[in-house]
Amino acid sequence: ETGVTQTPRHLVMGMTNKKSLKCEQHLGHNAMYWYKQSAKKPLELMFVYSLEERVENNSVPSRFSPECPNSSHLFLHLHTLQPEDSALYLCASSQKGGGGYEQYFGPGTRLTVT
Amino acid sequence: GNSVTQMEGPVTLSEEAFLTINCTYTATGYPSLFWYVQYPGEGLQLLLKATKADDKGSNKGFEATYRKETTSFHLEKGSVQVSDSAVYFCALSKNTGNQFYFGTGTSLTVIP
Repeated sequence: ETGVTQTPRHLVMGMTNKKSLKCEQHLGHNAMYWYKQSAKKPLELMFVYSLEERVENNSVPSRFSPECPNSSHLFLHLHTLQPEDSALYLCASSQKGGGGYEQYFGPGTRLTVT
Repeated sequence: GNSVTQMEGPVTLSEEAFLTINCTYTATGYPSLFWYVQYPGEGLQLLLKATKADDKGSNKGFEATYRKETTSFHLEKGSVQVSDSAVYFCALSKNTGNQFYFGTGTSLTVIP
């Protein structure tokens, strides 16, 4: 596998379920990101991890909980979501945070909350 | 603050037409600038970048020049193809900190 992979690609869950999204990067990067992409809205940064430490949390609701066990893996744990949380969730990585380094994106997980 | 503004879409062009997608930015200091492309059902892919004023990024026939005097980074292609149909995002990254700032995206459809 190369690049950034995400699983699952599609997820349908009820509001009372608990699920997790997984992201893995094979690029040797040490910064990873979660974004939310909703229709007709700008790309929304949710979490940033640099060297496995969370460095930014843009006031995301606590029903989203990130985990970064090492520099190659990133999870997004979901619980008691709302229908408005339905969106495409994108993971990205970069060589390090900021500094003009481009971000590499995974294909995304299409989440539908029913 | 830091932000990116790009032209509203959708844009529809005939094959072989000239493409321009405007992008302007607001930032302190000297950011790096990027264009990303998102094909249907996929994540964002880096198309090109420029890291300092007057740099020109280019890839797959697309070009954009970092213009500090007009704070712009317009995307151009001389002759579009049907396969260029996608959503295009302009973005900036400061040289400190961890954030990228993305524009809202411009949808391009190229018809044969």
